Amino acid sequence: AQKVTQAQTEISVVEKEDVTLDCVYETRDTTYYLFWYKQPPSGELVFLIRRNSFDEQNEISGRYSWNFQKSTSSFNFTITASQVVDSAVYFCALSEGSGGGADGLTFGKGTHLIIQP
Amino acid sequence: KAGVTQTPRYLIKTRGQQVTLSCSPISGHRSVSWYQQTPGQGLQFLFEYFSETQRNKGNFPGRFSGRQFSNSRSEMNVSTLELGDSALYLCASSLETGVLNTEAFFGQGTRLTVV
Repeated sequence: AQKVTQAQTEISVVEKEDVTLDCVYETRDTTYYLFWYKQPPSGELVFLIRRNSFDEQNEISGRYSWNFQKSTSSFNFTITASQVVDSAVYFCALSEGSGGGADGLTFGKGTHLIIQP
Repeated sequence: KAGVTQTPRYLIKTRGQQVTLSCSPISGHRSVSWYQQTPGQGLQFLFEYFSETQRNKGNFPGRFSGRQFSNSRSEMNVSTLELGDSALYLCASSLETGVLNTEAFFGQGTRLTVV
């Protein structure tokens, strides 16, 4: 069975600090997709990134970067020079097999990130 | 273009009643998925519809059901409500499904409170 673990329930940092959110996953499939979503207080989940199991290349998008390591089954997310607007709950999610989209996503419990001014 | 619209935003129901929630996907999107979010269980997949057919279903009792119309709008229904059904119900809209898909867009959710 698939499982996603986000061990950090809550992280609080001061603005401009770098912060890394951890995500460890379990799956028996060789083909799977990993996602990160951001949930602001308004409730909707905002898509950040999708990565398939055959693409271990790390990705950088502005202040955001992702480190995918199959050897440790981890897909960590780093925010550089954090800002107050980054405060939200962040979810890591996994979809096995042909589930490339939102169908059948398994989510972690989320990490509540608090950026203090 | 307009995002995913869920109605109503808030709902209060009594135990034993039934409820219907609605989701209008982004124009052109044919896949709609539903998720339940609670503080204890987190985000859990309910079901996914694509072209009016249920493609995938999570581990929820038969009291939870859904359907999709020809215009891709979707409804989910919960019968015989229990206190534990109180949750934020999120709908996700995707252009395609399965391996052809790239990303899903979520609505703001319907906050259901069962008293």
